[in-house]
Amino acid sequence: AQKITQTQPGMFVQEKEAVTLDCTYDTSDQSYGLFWYKQPSSGEMIFLIYQGSYDEQNATEGRYSLNFQKARKSANLVISASQLGDSAMYFCAMRKKTSYDKVIFGPGTSLSVIP
Amino acid sequence: EAGVVQSPRYKIIEKKQPVAFWCNPISGHNTLYWYLQNLGQGPELLIRYENEEAVDDSQLPKDRFSAERLKGVDSTLKIQPAELGDSAVYLCASSLDSGLDYNEQFFGPGTRLTVL
Repeated sequence: AQKITQTQPGMFVQEKEAVTLDCTYDTSDQSYGLFWYKQPSSGEMIFLIYQGSYDEQNATEGRYSLNFQKARKSANLVISASQLGDSAMYFCAMRKKTSYDKVIFGPGTSLSVIP
Repeated sequence: EAGVVQSPRYKIIEKKQPVAFWCNPISGHNTLYWYLQNLGQGPELLIRYENEEAVDDSQLPKDRFSAERLKGVDSTLKIQPAELGDSAVYLCASSLDSGLDYNEQFFGPGTRLTVL
């Protein structure tokens, strides 16, 4: 069965510093996709970044980058130059690349950016 | 472009009462998802629609939960009767085509249900 683990229930980071949010996953599939979502207090899940299991380069989107280590089954999110607006819950998620896909979410990490 | 719309945003009911949530996906998105999010946890899929067909409802508690997506656009999720354990946030999401390698789901703001 697929499973996502996020071992950091809460994290603090100083404004303008970088922070890494950990994510490990368990799957027997060879083809899958990994996602990170941000959920501010307003409740909406906001898509941040995607990494395919066969992508050779780590994904980057602006201040977000994904440190993908396939052999270790980890997909850590790196946020550079943290901003106050980055304070939110962050969820790592995984999807099998089949015709009937299902996205599995981790338990989330709460990030607080300190001014 | 309008995002995924959900209503109501908040609902408080007494146990054993029925409740319904409504979702309007992004225009043109043929796939619609209903998720349940308990406090402090990630969302869990309840049901997924491809147009008007429910293609994955394996996690939907069918004794009390039902859903429909008439005409393949709007969707309604119903609970009857509600139990205390149903208190949670119900999220709706939509995507353009679930067969794509990169299939971003767009989420609505959710409905926070409190069962007393």
